[in-house]
Amino acid sequence: QSILTQPPSVSGTPGQRVVISCTGSNSNIGAPYDVHWYQQLPGTAPKLLIYGNTRRPSGVPARFSGSKSGTSASLAVTGLQAEDEADYFCQSYDITLNACVFGGGTKLTVL
Amino acid sequence: QLQLVQSGAEVRKPGASVKVSCKVSGYTVNELAIHWVRQAPGKGLEWMGGFAPEDGETIYAQKFQGRVTMTEDISTNTAYLELSSLGSEDTAVYYCAQEPASGRGYYGLDVWGQGTTVTVSS
Repeated sequence: QSILTQPPSVSGTPGQRVVISCTGSNSNIGAPYDVHWYQQLPGTAPKLLIYGNTRRPSGVPARFSGSKSGTSASLAVTGLQAEDEADYFCQSYDITLNACVFGGGTKLTVL
Repeated sequence: QLQLVQSGAEVRKPGASVKVSCKVSGYTVNELAIHWVRQAPGKGLEWMGGFAPEDGETIYAQKFQGRVTMTEDISTNTAYLELSSLGSEDTAVYYCAQEPASGRGYYGLDVWGQGTTVTVSS
């Protein structure tokens, strides 16, 4: 059971907007510690997609955006493309566990 | 440009230990907050521990305490993960990753190694 809760799967058609949620608690996201998002394409290492709740590393398309409110965070993908089909993970720090924590991951399918 | 290059796949029998390496280039290993994260087949990411260069402290996930050791060798600029008393549940891809600071995941893990597959089988 992951400390951060994500939906197992989401799907959308090309061009659509999809949102992936990440729900935590007052020990992590609500503490408040920043949320970071990773994209993992099949057979590859995770890649940092969003850091500090809303910031995109250089090279990440503006179609990807992050937000945070209270004990939850969200990753939005607008103008969905076939290449966005991947697993997405949220991550934060938990002060009770004194540990880095990940969500269980969400598989994004482009129909 | 920071790069992390990991050692090759390993196969171990139950009860054995494994040591995975993560060669750092572009920076000095003891200046970096290196984390180890694993992923079992078809599963999510699981944090094992991280090194905080600011205070020299290594933090291990409670699940692995007593069974995991993270070390660094400055002479070879390499970080190591050693896991003992292996069971089939330890079969996974093991990643090293770098965080700009903290070793606790405050800032996000921005550079990852390619992963090392460890298989535990009798």
